[in-house]
Amino acid sequence: AQKITQTQPGMFVQEKEAVTLDCTYDTSDPSYGLFWYKQPSSGEMIFLIYQGSYDQQNATEGRYSLNFQKARKSANLVISASQLGDSAMYFCAMREGSTTDSWGKFQFGAGTQVVVTP
Amino acid sequence: GAVVSQHPSWVICKSGTSVKIECRSLDFQATTMFWYRQFPKQSLMLMATSNEGSKATYEQGVEKDKFLINHASLTLSTLTVTSAHPEDSSFYICSARQISSNQPQHFGDGTRLSIL
Repeated sequence: AQKITQTQPGMFVQEKEAVTLDCTYDTSDPSYGLFWYKQPSSGEMIFLIYQGSYDQQNATEGRYSLNFQKARKSANLVISASQLGDSAMYFCAMREGSTTDSWGKFQFGAGTQVVVTP
Repeated sequence: GAVVSQHPSWVICKSGTSVKIECRSLDFQATTMFWYRQFPKQSLMLMATSNEGSKATYEQGVEKDKFLINHASLTLSTLTVTSAHPEDSSFYICSARQISSNQPQHFGDGTRLSIL
């Protein structure tokens, strides 16, 4: 079963506007981490932001913020003041933490392609 | 700078050739590294977990004899695609994780493998 769901395959956003990328997850593990990565066309995976399941506050990193709604199992990424360089594929990922088998493994969503226009 | 180095970044070779891809953690020790495969416009799919000093753990559906993984030191894991065929053409990317539970995985820059 799909554990990470990103329902937006692609979206356009105008420069300087904010954009929200959706991510929902499914787990019964009480300990987990949620991550967002950016993958430009060159292929490298760039870490953006992390939210732990026990974190009380929403994570923020510069122009990136994570809207963490635990009860709804959602972890949406908000990019404020979009820049042309933000055009890339964005992946939401989850790492479950309680069992040895799952330790360290990432499960990725299908990704959302963001295109920032002038 | 990059904390995980992956080499080579791009390989083109003939069908039947074996190709080795290296993944190195540059400034930390990684007892565990991960290998992913990514087809165009698709997500990353975990292939296997590479454990230093022991056998790799493969995900369901991944052929162990096809994708040989060796993790001989705390900073190096290698993935060898044996007798590669055109269907093995893909983007392969490794990652390594530091000990702290809230540390993100650090990814290599990936290897684009094209089998002719």
